[in-house]
Amino acid sequence: NAGVTQTPKFRILKIGQSMTLQCTQDMNHNYMYWYRQDPGMGLKLIYYSVGAGITDKGEVPNGYNVSRSTTEDFPLRLELAAPSQTSVYFCASRNYRDTGELFFGEGSRLTVL
Amino acid sequence: QQQVKQSPQSLIVQKGGISIINCAYENTAFDYFPWYQQFPGKGPALLIAIRPDVSEKKEGRFTISFNKSAKQFSLHIMDSQPGDSATYFCAASHSGSRLTFGEGTQLTVNP
Repeated sequence: NAGVTQTPKFRILKIGQSMTLQCTQDMNHNYMYWYRQDPGMGLKLIYYSVGAGITDKGEVPNGYNVSRSTTEDFPLRLELAAPSQTSVYFCASRNYRDTGELFFGEGSRLTVL
Repeated sequence: QQQVKQSPQSLIVQKGGISIINCAYENTAFDYFPWYQQFPGKGPALLIAIRPDVSEKKEGRFTISFNKSAKQFSLHIMDSQPGDSATYFCAASHSGSRLTFGEGTQLTVNP
């Protein structure tokens, strides 16, 4: 049972480059989320989705885009990478019937130089 | 009103001691208060959660204490072990909406 899988685990980007962080889950969860984690700042929500074809902004969406074409996949796109996007990114999912428990991936560490 | 404030930012405890992490919230509509545990290089995982209809919930060595009038809740780890060394996040949500996380507490338990 893989749960939530994120790729890549590590990536170094140059300023201005673009990339996509991949996230897939095999639990048939409707809700999916992207968070970024910075030291001492907790987890900040970037984007979320309540089902295929439906996405919405979180607290810190600027510089990012998402799509949700299937229940399983929720990729996060970084356009024109900036040093401020250096962070650890976590994808998470939950069942709409469950009010709380999020299942997280292991994270993707991104450095923008 | 969506903030959840967590303290301390870091905590060092001796093996066998009690670890206490505190959180305060503003939104009185919050009705679900989980704690997540995160080990280095891993994603957070649900540790224990409470709803405001009870003042305390215990699971093994982990206890959540909840004070609705003060809008505060805390995590107590009894008989702390080196294996408990991790980052702990409190969180809150309302009616299954998005979780709002605290800033995190890095716990170190010395042997």
